[in-house]
Amino acid sequence: RKEVEQDPGPFNVPEGATVAFNCTYSNSASQSFFWYRQDCRKEPKLLMSVYSSGNEDGRFTAQLNRASQYISLLIRDSKLSDSATYLCAVNKAGNQFYFGTGTSLTVIP
Amino acid sequence: GAVVSQHPSRVICKSGTSVKIECRSLDFQATTMFWYRQFPKQSLMLMATSNEGSKATYEQGVEKDKFLINHASLTLSTLTVTSAHPEDSSFYICSMGQPNEKLFFGSGTQLSVL
Repeated sequence: RKEVEQDPGPFNVPEGATVAFNCTYSNSASQSFFWYRQDCRKEPKLLMSVYSSGNEDGRFTAQLNRASQYISLLIRDSKLSDSATYLCAVNKAGNQFYFGTGTSLTVIP
Repeated sequence: GAVVSQHPSRVICKSGTSVKIECRSLDFQATTMFWYRQFPKQSLMLMATSNEGSKATYEQGVEKDKFLINHASLTLSTLTVTSAHPEDSSFYICSMGQPNEKLFFGSGTQLSVL
């Protein structure tokens, strides 16, 4: 079983739409959770950390559900510049980072 | 913010040659280094985790004799792809971090083996 499962998409949404991504993780001892954004053939860039209490950064909201072992990312009012691949990352006990397969998002004018 | 320098950014080599990729942290000391590989349209696959001064821990299916990792200091780690073959062509990327903290990534190396 994969450490992290993520729907690869693709998600094609119109500008202004709200879109949500989810990831599930298999190890209940996982300690830290993150969302990264990756543009084609570039290194991933940290988008935000994910906390149980939920955290928001402008149009982006991340949530962690430890009981169900999933994390989510919500993007409101999508912009063309949001088009990218979004990767969830889980820091497992023992300090190993695992990434989901990435979800491809294309925002259409 | 923290910066991780990775080079070369692109390598084209003949089959059978060895390629060394270097990652260096510029303004922080990294106790842990991660090496990832990414094939086209696929996610980052963890290859190995290395801690400074100790042997790397390889993920299942990754040949340690083929992918040599050296983490000799808190600021430098290298990955050597030995006797590279076309199937090793991929995007290799390093990242550095502290336990339970976010990762800082290098800019990646695109390896093409002819």
